[in-house]
Amino acid sequence: TQLLEQSPQFLSIQEGENLTVYCNSSSVFSSLQWYRQEPGEGPVLLVTVVTGGEVKKLKRLTFQFGDARKDSSLHITAAQPGDTGLYLCAGAPIYNQGGKLIFGQGTELSVKP
Amino acid sequence: DVKVTQSSRYLVKRTGEKVFLECVQDMDHENMFWYRQDPGLGLRLIYFSYDVKMKEKGDIPEGYSVSREKKERFSLILESASTNQTSMYLCASSLQQGAVEAFFGQGTRLTVV
Repeated sequence: TQLLEQSPQFLSIQEGENLTVYCNSSSVFSSLQWYRQEPGEGPVLLVTVVTGGEVKKLKRLTFQFGDARKDSSLHITAAQPGDTGLYLCAGAPIYNQGGKLIFGQGTELSVKP
Repeated sequence: DVKVTQSSRYLVKRTGEKVFLECVQDMDHENMFWYRQDPGLGLRLIYFSYDVKMKEKGDIPEGYSVSREKKERFSLILESASTNQTSMYLCASSLQQGAVEAFFGQGTRLTVV
């Protein structure tokens, strides 16, 4: 069974701080996605990374795909209260059956003003 | 704007009832999925479908069934609801080719009493 280990599970920081969330696996993925979920809503796609070593930026968010396509990180610079939410990583297995994604357990981020 | 719509935001059902959760997508996606989300357990795949009338078991199919009679609609059925099926249920869809990014509905919070 392929697993994605996401850490940390909980993160509570002050506005203006930086943070990094990690997603690790022993398996190789063809692509990896990051989602953000607000309470009572479904997850919303933030970014997809496909190439080993790829770095994508979305305003204050920086996403990186590991060279071996087994891990990824999300870095937020100068966090704001609006960044509060559940962050999920999800990987598409190499031999993808029916578009199944493997999800990490999620990181609950709270940014206090 | 792409959309995945779940029929109910909140449902309260009695133990033993048959429960139907409906999901409709307007993006002509081949793949559709049902997940349940519980604190500390992340998203767990119940069933998925990669074509009309096709269905595959996910990681936790026990106590559930699904129906996909039309491409845009994927229904989750709880044959005899039990209290341990109280959860947030999320429907998602994705294309069969490419990076298989998932688009989620807003979720149904089901409480079985």
